[in-house]
Amino acid sequence: AQKVTQAQTEISVVEKEDVTLDCVYETRDTTYYLFWYKQPPSGELVFLIRRNSFDEQNEISGRYSWNFQKSTSSFNFTITASQVVDSAVYFCALSEAGSGGYNKLIFGAGTRLAVHP
Amino acid sequence: AAGVIQSPRHLIKEKRETATLKCYPIPRHDTVYWYQQGPGQDPQFLISFYEKMQSDKGSIPDRFSAQQFSDYHSELNMSSLELGDSALYFCASSLRQGASRTGELFFGEGSRLTVL
Repeated sequence: AQKVTQAQTEISVVEKEDVTLDCVYETRDTTYYLFWYKQPPSGELVFLIRRNSFDEQNEISGRYSWNFQKSTSSFNFTITASQVVDSAVYFCALSEAGSGGYNKLIFGAGTRLAVHP
Repeated sequence: AAGVIQSPRHLIKEKRETATLKCYPIPRHDTVYWYQQGPGQDPQFLISFYEKMQSDKGSIPDRFSAQQFSDYHSELNMSSLELGDSALYFCASSLRQGASRTGELFFGEGSRLTVL
């Protein structure tokens, strides 16, 4: 069965620190997608990244970077030089092939990141 | 660009009442998904529809029903509301052909239901 584990419930850092959010997943499929979403206090789910299982290249987008390692079933997310606006709950999610395509998402429990001035 | 529209954004109901949430997908998207996020919880998949037919079902209570209409909008109907139904309800849409290739899913801003 598919499962996403975000072991870190809460992380607290001081502004400008780097922070890594861990995500470990379980799946029996060889084709799947991994996602990261940000949920600020306002509640909406903000899409950050989507990665398919065949692309293990790491990705960098500004202060954000993602490290995908199939060997360890991990898809970790690093924020460099964190800012107060990064404070939010971050969800890692997995989707597998299903009757509705690849879009039935299984979410991790989320990691609440608090960035203090 | 047009996004997924959900209404109402906020809804307050009493126990045992009925509530209906609406979702208008991105134009030309043929698949809608409903997720429920309780306080402090991760979003849980409820149900999905493709071309007006139920395509997948998750942890949706029997008191809830949903459908997708000919214009592809979807409604989630919740009856005999309980305190535990208080949650943020997200709708998402995708284009199935594209989804099967890319796994791209677009979320609305959510409808917050409070049951008193």
